[in-house]
Amino acid sequence: NAGVTQTPKFRILKIGQSMTLQCTQDMNHNYMYWYRQDPGMGLKLIYYSVGAGITDKGEVPNGYNVSRSTTEDFPLRLELAAPSQTSVYFCASSASSGTTQYFGPGTRLTVT
Amino acid sequence: ELKVEQNPLFLSMQEGKNYTIYCNYSTTSDRLYWYRQDPGKSLESLFVLLSNGAVKQEGRLMASLDTKARLSTLHITAAVHDLSATYFCAVGPINTDKLIFGTGTRLQVFP
Repeated sequence: NAGVTQTPKFRILKIGQSMTLQCTQDMNHNYMYWYRQDPGMGLKLIYYSVGAGITDKGEVPNGYNVSRSTTEDFPLRLELAAPSQTSVYFCASSASSGTTQYFGPGTRLTVT
Repeated sequence: ELKVEQNPLFLSMQEGKNYTIYCNYSTTSDRLYWYRQDPGKSLESLFVLLSNGAVKQEGRLMASLDTKARLSTLHITAAVHDLSATYFCAVGPINTDKLIFGTGTRLQVFP
């Protein structure tokens, strides 16, 4: 039981490039979330999903897109990367609202 | 817009002492979480509080929730060095599935 896995662990992008951050969970959780954490700050919710085929915006969705075609996977797409997207990205999952959220190890992204 | 405020932001405390971290939020909520984060690491769930008056304890940490005051506390009893970390509260506004994080409290426990 691996829990929540994220790939890659680290990535450096040039301004204007695109990439997809992968997130997979093996706990059969319906709820999945993407957060970003800027240095010394709390987490900001980017997008979340309450089940396959259902996604919704969080606090800071601009510049990102998501899809949820399966229960297990919740990829985050960055289009036209900007320096302001330099951050650590965490994926999380939970069985439902009001239950424990389990976090992945994070992806450290630098845009230069 | 929901605001979640933690205080203090930084806390340096001696081993063996007690202290409380406060989490205030600005709108009605039906769930509150506490997390721990070690430097360079991911987040570890500590507590999930779902009702007014809820109290949960794990080791030297005890969390409580007062939904009428929109306040949660994380009490540390007889601190030890291993508790050094950043602690976050996160609040779920009622009738949404979102979770809004506080800015965190960086705790350092020294001998």
